[in-house]
Amino acid sequence: SQQGEEDPQALSIQEGENATMNCSYKTSINNLQWYRQNSGRGLVHLILIRSNEREKHSGRLRVTLDTSKKSSSLLITASRAADTASYFCATALQGGSEKLVFGKGTKLTVNP
Amino acid sequence: GAVVSQHPSWVICKSGTSVKIECRSLDFQATTMFWYRQFPKQSLMLMATSNEGSKATYEQGVEKDKFLINHASLTLSTLTVTSAHPEDSSFYICSASRSRGQETQYFGPGTRLLVL
Repeated sequence: SQQGEEDPQALSIQEGENATMNCSYKTSINNLQWYRQNSGRGLVHLILIRSNEREKHSGRLRVTLDTSKKSSSLLITASRAADTASYFCATALQGGSEKLVFGKGTKLTVNP
Repeated sequence: GAVVSQHPSWVICKSGTSVKIECRSLDFQATTMFWYRQFPKQSLMLMATSNEGSKATYEQGVEKDKFLINHASLTLSTLTVTSAHPEDSSFYICSASRSRGQETQYFGPGTRLLVL
């Protein structure tokens, strides 16, 4: 069964605005990762946040992790049309498993 | 670095035939490769984990005799869909990790399979 659930399922914004996507999960994790998928393509790794971290930045991306609420958020600032894609969170479960469990994804559309 | 390729990128086949999909790590050795399946507008579902030189570990509900996985070298894993049926039509994506226990996976571009 899927571990992560993204919210919202779809998000449409204007260029320059910020986009926030949320992810909730069910069990204890080693880390949580965010990936991006352009339509009909493979996934690109964006950022990884470990269970003992609360916030991480990478360029225009900001990820937070709240292990008490079992949730994470991905913020994309100053969005661009090229950010249009689906975004997935994936959790690596505690216990050292290499497996990732993906959420359902948020489809982001950035209108020029 | 960390480029993963898949071949073919798309394939159309008749029901009952077998289809082989290759996944290659181009600039690194992949101790572990993963095979996922993705239906339209849905998430990725892990099918199996493949370690070089050993048998693949399949997820619950995935038929190992239908989805044959071979990881013969540190740069190549293959997925063979045997006796394909229309319900096997899907987007198949592989990923690879550089070393055992490495957290980040590098994904291939995917293979779209359509079974008529």
